[in-house]
Amino acid sequence: DVKVTQSSRYLVKRTGEKVFLECVQDMDHENMFWYRQDPGLGLRLIYFSYDVKMKEKGDIPEGYSVSREKKERFSLILESASTNQTSMYLCASSLVDGAGYTFGSGTRLTVV
Amino acid sequence: ELKVEQNPLFLSMQEGKNYTIYCNYSTTSDRLYWYRQDPGKSLESLFVLLSNGAVKQEGRLMASLDTKARLSTLHITAAVHDLSATYFCAVDGGSNYKLTFGKGTLLTVNP
Repeated sequence: DVKVTQSSRYLVKRTGEKVFLECVQDMDHENMFWYRQDPGLGLRLIYFSYDVKMKEKGDIPEGYSVSREKKERFSLILESASTNQTSMYLCASSLVDGAGYTFGSGTRLTVV
Repeated sequence: ELKVEQNPLFLSMQEGKNYTIYCNYSTTSDRLYWYRQDPGKSLESLFVLLSNGAVKQEGRLMASLDTKARLSTLHITAAVHDLSATYFCAVDGGSNYKLTFGKGTLLTVNP
């Protein structure tokens, strides 16, 4: 089975901290994605990457950056965490053949 | 900009009944996906629909795609409590297999 592993299930951080969310996939997928999920707003795309060192902004990139130094790892960085970034963060990966996403288990981040 | 609309957003139904969730999208696409999410969990792939007229079935769920109408349906037959979850449709807008998701349908099946 394809596995997408997110390093933390729950995180609590303080306002202003720099936060790293890690995502690793083990099936050599080209594409990787970061979404956040909020009640009533559904899933919104933050950033995605279709190759090592490549990244593209999604619909809500403000306040976030990403890093993809290796094919299997895609990191989401909150440069200076704020309370409005409290959310569930979902990482996903996919091949380029259109088979859809495989999601990680999610990280519930609370910024206090 | 691709928009994906699901309805209804909330669905409460009795066990044994049938119902359909609808997913409309705004631009041409022939790739549509359905996912299930249990409370507090991540999304799990249910169906991948990759052409006009595609129909997939798994247990009490059946999904179909009409690309000309820009519509997919998820039909639930003889619902059981275990089907209670949030169901999302997602559409590939044709750019690097990036998916746009609907807001989800929260399904509650009551005994």
